[in-house]
Amino acid sequence: NAGVTQTPKFRILKIGQSMTLQCTQDMNHNYMYWYRQDPGMGLKLIYYSVGAGITDKGEVPNGYNVSRSTTEDFPLRLELAAPSQTSVYFCASRTGTGDRGYTFGSGTRLTVV
Amino acid sequence: GNSVTQMEGPVTLSEEAFLTINCTYTATGYPSLFWYVQYPGEGLQLLLKATKADDKGSNKGFEATYRKETTSFHLEKGSVQVSDSAVYFCALRGGGSNYKLTFGKGTLLTVNP
Repeated sequence: NAGVTQTPKFRILKIGQSMTLQCTQDMNHNYMYWYRQDPGMGLKLIYYSVGAGITDKGEVPNGYNVSRSTTEDFPLRLELAAPSQTSVYFCASRTGTGDRGYTFGSGTRLTVV
Repeated sequence: GNSVTQMEGPVTLSEEAFLTINCTYTATGYPSLFWYVQYPGEGLQLLLKATKADDKGSNKGFEATYRKETTSFHLEKGSVQVSDSAVYFCALRGGGSNYKLTFGKGTLLTVNP
């Protein structure tokens, strides 16, 4: 059982470039999330989805876009990368029933120069 | 809105010392409370949880009790090991934001042999 898989693990972007961070889960979880982790700041929610075709903004959505065409995939798109988007990005998922917590991916470390 | 406040780190202990990491929260209603652990270079893993007042979550020798009267969920371990060195995050879900986890800023624990 692979859990939540994120690619790539590391990436360096130039200012103004675009990229997509991939996230896939094989647990048939309805809920999926994107967080960014900045040093000493904990995790901030960027976007989340409660099921295929449904997405909503979190605390810090500016500069990002998401889509959820399937249950398994929840890609995060950065358009016009800025240095402020340098961070570690985590994708997470959870089942919609019970309270078993989230399953996190191993993260993508992004640097914008 | 919901918020989580953790004690400032870093925390440095010797092996077999007693650990307490304080966590207090603000939320409406009756949130579920979690502790997550992040080992170097990895994503977050659920350590323990409690879903109602006076519940005690426990795992791997760690414990935390949901105290509604003091809005706290302090993490404790009687005898830490070097392998416990990690960043610990307190989090809550619910209280009006059932879909989303709200995280504290994290506490870095280093255990020396």
